[in-house]
Amino acid sequence: QLVLTQSPSASASLGASVKLTCTLSSGHSNYAIAWHQQQPEKGPRYLMKLNIDGSHSKGDGIPDRFSGSSSGAERYLTISSLQSEDEADYYCQTWGTGIHVFGTGTKVTVL
Amino acid sequence: EVQLLESGGGLVQPGGSLRLSCAASGFTFSSYGMTWVRQAPGKGLEWVSVIGGGGGTTYYADSVKGRFTISRDNSKNTLYLQMNSLRAEDTAVYYCAKHMSGSRWDAFDIWGQGTMVTVSS
Repeated sequence: QLVLTQSPSASASLGASVKLTCTLSSGHSNYAIAWHQQQPEKGPRYLMKLNIDGSHSKGDGIPDRFSGSSSGAERYLTISSLQSEDEADYYCQTWGTGIHVFGTGTKVTVL
Repeated sequence: EVQLLESGGGLVQPGGSLRLSCAASGFTFSSYGMTWVRQAPGKGLEWVSVIGGGGGTTYYADSVKGRFTISRDNSKNTLYLQMNSLRAEDTAVYYCAKHMSGSRWDAFDIWGQGTMVTVSS
């Protein structure tokens, strides 16, 4: 079964970095994913598509502070130089034939 | 500018029906897969249904299979979601999303602003 696992919360100080993890279920470690940001009271926004080799394609206007990387079944989103507007929920998304799947989301708090 | 604009949400009684629309602009609509995603109040994102750029085979989450129907009119650049036999647990903000390619199986790179559906008596 295709499942994405995310930690429920993460926090870091203004100007610091935070690294979020999205883990693919067993047997699906070669799947690409996408990262989406949802700020409070807003709709989701596409950040990037992240491939198994760590290559990624970002959405228009996404700052360089947002980067992605991969290791085995884990996919990462690193936010550098945290800004107050980065306080949001972050969801990973993947897909297989017949289904799209979201992780449960990670709430990022900027201290 | 690439844009998606949902409409058609509202308050409906349990067992009722509603049709959502998603008007697309700024891109060649027929070249891209499209998806509906929903978010219940205070909850995470849940995929609902997907359709390819040219239409064809459609897929649904188990929670809506047999009750919801996704369709598209490429001549009108519009995506639809027909929702029948609505239940309280269908209450959510419904978003349409554009895929990065014509495939049904790809990342979503553009999201609409959402339309609220409330199922209550």
